[in-house]
Amino acid sequence: GAGVSQSPRYKVAKRGQDVALRCDPISGHVSLFWYQQALGQGPEFLTYFQNEAQLDKSGLPSDRFFAERPEGSVSTLKIQRTQQEDSAVYLCASSLVTGVGANVLTFGAGSRLTVL
Amino acid sequence: GESVGLHLPTLSVQEGDNSIINCAYSNSASDYFIWYKQESGKGPQFIIDIRSNMDKRQGQRVTVLLNKTVKHLSLQIAATQPGDSAVYFCAENLYNFNKFYFGSGTKLNVKP
Repeated sequence: GAGVSQSPRYKVAKRGQDVALRCDPISGHVSLFWYQQALGQGPEFLTYFQNEAQLDKSGLPSDRFFAERPEGSVSTLKIQRTQQEDSAVYLCASSLVTGVGANVLTFGAGSRLTVL
Repeated sequence: GESVGLHLPTLSVQEGDNSIINCAYSNSASDYFIWYKQESGKGPQFIIDIRSNMDKRQGQRVTVLLNKTVKHLSLQIAATQPGDSAVYFCAENLYNFNKFYFGSGTKLNVKP
């Protein structure tokens, strides 16, 4: 597609519910990233895929967070037993070029999660 | 994560003036930096990047300056326009291309 597409754009969940956030990266982009952006803050790294391989998940805040990209294109970020502190905008980004240092990310508009 | 901070959380400028947004980073090993612009309800949008082997890079109406001695990065916007109103983030790459650290952002308000 023309850009990175994320859905849903807005999600309201009751505490304890599971949620799934979807990311459609730019076609052909090898790398895919998930970031979490709290209100008034900069994005914080969650996890990174190169094709279908999850190469870095060091930013996932707890084992309630799980991400997958089974076919190397669409990715899903799942949050189990949501808590209020999970409320944030979840940004997906993709990039074409791999390699140390040079990696411009194209971001989607994000999925805003509100946990009540 | 590493500390990437901004000196001014909010910057107000008159339309047509030049804007300067500053950013400090803490890790001297960082070798790649990007400035992003984020408008309300949208994801960050790439503006300009710079590698650590450069001290200046120019784009269309924007210039990024890198001072490795004091670990400081700045974004200069010439002839600021209302459409430049947004939050600006600097992002730091710690020689590991898959992880960027973002600052907390500076909000730029352009007054007509």
